Amino acid sequence: LAKTTQPISMDSYEGQEVNITCSHNNIATNDYITWYQQFPSQGPRFIIQGYKTKVTNEVASLFIPADRKSSTLSLPRVSLSDTAVYYCLVGLSNYQLIWGAGTKLIIKP
Amino acid sequence: NAGVTQTPKFQVLKTGQSMTLQCAQDMNHEYMSWYRQDPGMGLRLIHYSVGAGITDQGEVPNGYNVSRSTTEDFPLRLLSAAPSQTSVYFCASSPGQGVYEQYFGPGTRLTVT
Repeated sequence: LAKTTQPISMDSYEGQEVNITCSHNNIATNDYITWYQQFPSQGPRFIIQGYKTKVTNEVASLFIPADRKSSTLSLPRVSLSDTAVYYCLVGLSNYQLIWGAGTKLIIKP
Repeated sequence: NAGVTQTPKFQVLKTGQSMTLQCAQDMNHEYMSWYRQDPGMGLRLIHYSVGAGITDQGEVPNGYNVSRSTTEDFPLRLLSAAPSQTSVYFCASSPGQGVYEQYFGPGTRLTVT
């Protein structure tokens, strides 16, 4: 049974690169990983999605190693406005969605 | 486009009362879903719909009903509110089920006393 595990919280400083890792055992080749960002009193917002290796967009990168037992969301040069909760989501081929409990990221000046 | 809208933003109910949380989207998305979010537990799927007239249960459906008479609207009905249903409720939509970006509404904060 797939399950996702993420750190409860992380701290970093402005200008640093932040990496948040999500562990997800027992996922299949065509299961996908998605990350969402959530600010207080708002709904989650899509950041990035991928199946394998590396995906990059204008705000983040997603690294998925060959064993697919984890994935890492990388936020380059964070700012105070990146303070939020970040959710890892695994989408299975049977359409089941496995959400992580979220990582509260606090960026300090 | 307004995206996904939810009403009301806040609601207080007494135990045993019923109410409907409204959700609408203007993106012509086929897939819509309802989640509840409790502290430290992330998002849990209540019900979902893959198109008008089709609904199915998610992870935590007990105590909730849904219907999907149009593509745009997906209301969530609490049949007899209980304190355990105190939560923040989010509606989401996407073009289809599966590997699609989900668009979330702003949420409804519900307190049951």
